[in-house]
This record gives sequence, structure tokens and C-alpha cells, in this order.
Amino acid sequence: KNEVEQSPQNLTAQEGEFITINCSYSVGISALHWLQQHPGGGIVSLFMLSSGKKKHGRLIATINIQEKHSSLHITASHPRDSAVYICAVSFSGGGADGLTFGKGTHLIIQP
Amino acid sequence: DVKVTQSSRYLVKRTGEKVFLECVQDMDHENMFWYRQDPGLGLRLIYFSYDVKMKEKGDIPEGYSVSREKKERFSLILESASTNQTSMYLCASSPHAYEQYFGPGTRLTVT
Repeated sequence: KNEVEQSPQNLTAQEGEFITINCSYSVGISALHWLQQHPGGGIVSLFMLSSGKKKHGRLIATINIQEKHSSLHITASHPRDSAVYICAVSFSGGGADGLTFGKGTHLIIQP
Repeated sequence: DVKVTQSSRYLVKRTGEKVFLECVQDMDHENMFWYRQDPGLGLRLIYFSYDVKMKEKGDIPEGYSVSREKKERFSLILESASTNQTSMYLCASSPHAYEQYFGPGTRLTVT
């Protein structure tokens, strides 16, 4: 059974710091997702990637298929980035099979 | 924008009651999913559906059933609610092989 491990579980940083959250998984996948969940529950999809690197604003996601590892980076972090970041993997591009999730990284950015 | 709505944000039910959680998406997506989220366990897939009247069990289907009579609507049913089903329930939808879009969640408390 595929497992998804995230680290760290909790991260507190100062505004402006460069943030890295890591995700590793145990078997081959077709896509990896990074999700953001703010207090109140709503989940937003940040990235879906199957190779290489994607960038959106201050967020960068990378994946190394051979090493079964992905990282989410936040540059110039801001208090509004405080949220839970969740890594999830899919076996059919996020379509029919549903996602398997990591337990999430609780990020707090202090002003 | 894709919109996934859930019938209630907060729900309180008694043990033994039959509970219906409704999810509606407005983008003609083939795939729909029900997850539950619990502290320390993360998100787990309960059931998913890839077409009208089609359903597949996820990782934790016990105690739940689903119904998909129309493409836009996916219902989660707790036949006889129990206290261990107190949780946050999240619905999601996706077009084939693309990222998932999540609803705002329903926080269910069973007393």
C-alpha cells in the first residue's frame, strides 16, 4: 500500500524566511498534488505535477520521480501563508482512484 | 470557476440517526469523491464515483454508503450514525485525470 510521508509536521518561521516542506512516497505514482488548507477547512489545490518543477507566484513545487520525493518551497514567506500544506498522490492522474494523503504540515509564519 | 458545494457546514446528529451529506458540483465533472479528515490521521478516502450510478469503495467505506443519481450530485449516507463518525467530511470533484476541487467541508458531530 502506498504511503505518503511529510516533514516537518509543524513549522514556525519568521516573515520573509524561505520555507521548504518535504514529501516522500513509497511506490510509483502518476501525479503528486500539493494542497493548502486554511483554518475553517477549505482545501485549495496548489499544484499537480508528475515531473520537474512548477512555479506560481512565491510557491515552487519540485518532484524527483526516481527518488520518490517532492518539495514545496515558499519564498519571502508572509503571515497569510500560514496554513496546513498537504501532499497527496494519485495513481491515475487524480482521476478515478482518489488521492492518498500525507498527514499535512502545519505552517505558521510570524510577523 | 469550479464550484463544489456541500449542504451543511456544521451538523449535529444523534447516535443511530440516518445522516445524508450532499455534494453538488457545477462543472460537469465525471469523478466525485468523499473524504473524511481527522486530527493525526489526515484525509482518507471513503467512496468515489466515476460516473452516474457508479461507485467504488475507498480506504474506509465501513459504515457509509453513497448515491449518485445525477452527474452533479454525490451523496454520502451514514445509515446509523455512531460517535466514531464525528469528523470533517470533504467532497471533491475532478474531470478525468486532472486536479481535484474540494468543497468547504461539513463538520459532523454525532452525540
